[in-house]
Formats: sequence, structure tokens, C-alpha cells
Amino acid sequence: SYVLTQPPSVSVAPGQTARISCGEDNIGGKSVHWYQQKPGQAPVLVVYNDNVRPSGIPERFSGSNSGTTATLTISRVEAGDEADYYCQVWNGYTDHVYVFGIGTKVTVL
Amino acid sequence: QITLKESGPTLVRPTQTLTLTCTVSGFSLNISGVAVGWIRQPPGKALEWLAFIHWDDDKRYSPSLKSRLTVTKDTSKNQVILIMTNMEPVDTGTYFCAHKGFYYHGMDVWGQGTTVTVSS
Repeated sequence: SYVLTQPPSVSVAPGQTARISCGEDNIGGKSVHWYQQKPGQAPVLVVYNDNVRPSGIPERFSGSNSGTTATLTISRVEAGDEADYYCQVWNGYTDHVYVFGIGTKVTVL
Repeated sequence: QITLKESGPTLVRPTQTLTLTCTVSGFSLNISGVAVGWIRQPPGKALEWLAFIHWDDDKRYSPSLKSRLTVTKDTSKNQVILIMTNMEPVDTGTYFCAHKGFYYHGMDVWGQGTTVTVSS
């Protein structure tokens, strides 16, 4: 089966930068999408196609993807950024499945 | 504005069949490129993709659950229906439907989710 590896948790002080990784052998060859989920709420797409922000998402959210790791970067972290973050890819080359990472809890200190 | 809303039973008995409905607005289910998917989340756990149905009725399922899942759509009612058979307590969780981005394989708009508990 297809597995996307994320760190369970990341802690960051307000105003600093949080980086959340998403690993897989050839993730650089796929498009990665990132979601933010706050407690009791539905996920919200914050980055798609590795590094594109949907309308309404602050510029503080950015993404990159190369080799075996994709990264979501949150600059100038705010208290409201505290949430779970999930990466997701589409494995269209074989069985057309959608795969989510295990999620990373971002805690703002 | 695209919106999606899930509905269905909150409690299901073990071995029963679950039927969930996703009612959409702001787009038509038969327009080229449109797709709606189902994703679930057990309490305190990660998201898990279940199924997608495309505008042309192409359907894709999670390999691990494929034998238990059926997804259909009723274009006239703007609804997408998910059927999951032989429900077990481990299927307890929140079930979301979501709209797939037109030019990418991510999900740009999500429903609020509906909670399903499997218990006798």
C-alpha cells in the first residue's frame, strides 16, 4: 500500500516558521496537496499542486516538493494556525487512488 | 458558490448497510471535469479516502474497502450517494464529501461532515 510519512507533531513559537514534511519514495514526481483541519471542523485546502494557494489562503502558507519530501511552510505563525495538517497525493499511475498522510499536529507555543 | 452537505443515519448496527447522501449546490454533477468524493475520519485519527465519482460516471474506490463500497449519483437531485455494506464498530467516524478541484487531484471544497456510530 501507499504511505505518506508525516511527523506526528510540530511545535513553533508565534512569529516563527513551521515546516511540515511529507515523505514518500518518489513524491517529487507527484502533485501534493495540503489541508488544515481545526478541531470539530472539516479540512480546508491550503496548498494544491505542490505550491499553489487557493483564493483566501494567506501568503504565509507555502509549499515545495522535490525528491522524497514535500514540505508545507507556515511563516510568521499565528495562534490561529494551530491545527492538524494533512498532505495528500493522487497515485494515478497505477490504481488511481487518493492517499492522505497520517497528519501533523501543529502546536503554537 | 460551491457547497456540499452530508446526511444520513447517526447510528448503525453492526452488519447493517450504511447509506449516506451528499447534496451539492453551486455546480452540476454532469459537467465535464466534475467529481465528488467521500472521505472518512475515525475519532482522533487521520483522514481516509473512500471513493470518487466523476461527471461521466467513472468511479474509483479505495482498494482496501472496494468490496464494501458503492458510489452513485442522482444528477436530477444534485446528490451523490455512498453505500457501505457490513458495517463494523471500526467504521465509526465522521464521513465527509468533497468536491475535486477541476484541474488537479485535490479536494477544494468540503462538506461539514456527518458522524456515524456503529454499535449494537
